[in-house]
Amino acid sequence: GQSLEQPSEVTAVEGAIVQINCTYQTSGFYGLSWYQQHDGGAPTFLSYNALDGLEETGRFSSFLSRSDSYGYLLLQELQMKDSASYFCAVREGRSSGAGSYQLTFGKGTKLSVIP
Amino acid sequence: DAMVIQNPRYQVTQFGKPVTLSCSQTLNHNVMYWYQQKSSQAPKLLFHYYDKDFNNEADTPDNFQSRRPNTSFCFLDIRSPGLGDAAMYLCATSRVGGGRAYEQYFGPGTRLTVT
Repeated sequence: GQSLEQPSEVTAVEGAIVQINCTYQTSGFYGLSWYQQHDGGAPTFLSYNALDGLEETGRFSSFLSRSDSYGYLLLQELQMKDSASYFCAVREGRSSGAGSYQLTFGKGTKLSVIP
Repeated sequence: DAMVIQNPRYQVTQFGKPVTLSCSQTLNHNVMYWYQQKSSQAPKLLFHYYDKDFNNEADTPDNFQSRRPNTSFCFLDIRSPGLGDAAMYLCATSRVGGGRAYEQYFGPGTRLTVT
């Protein structure tokens, strides 16, 4: 089976930097995604890491260490609109060697940005 | 704009009364997913269609069924809703074969209340 662990809540100040960690256990890891979900809204895709290292997209960056079964999402220059839940999601590999198109989501981290 | 649309956004049904939720997409994606999300929890995959092939998750109750009459539409049928089925139901799509199979596009969800 699969399990993902991420903190349930994080609070940070507007303009600061925050890191949301995700550790996972899975039998056939292929990649790690991050999704943002505002209250009452749909999850939206933020980033994906299949290889070790850092991926940067504007104010958001995502990191993966396959050997440590660990990743994180880094949000810089926090804005009030970044208050939302952030989910990490594991993509497993298939027997063919390709990646599965199914995702298993963590329970989410509720980020509160305060003035 | 290409998108995933869910109707209705809010649905109230009575205990045991069948209900159908609908999802449509203009993205021409080949995979469509149904997730159940309860408050402060991760989206839980119920089933998905890869083209016309139906894939049920092992722990999805028999009470939940799905239909995909064509590429654009997918329906979730709950045959006899119980109080425990009250949740947000999210429809998502992805394109397998285009190199970004890991990116899922979500609809705004249907919030189901069971009275």
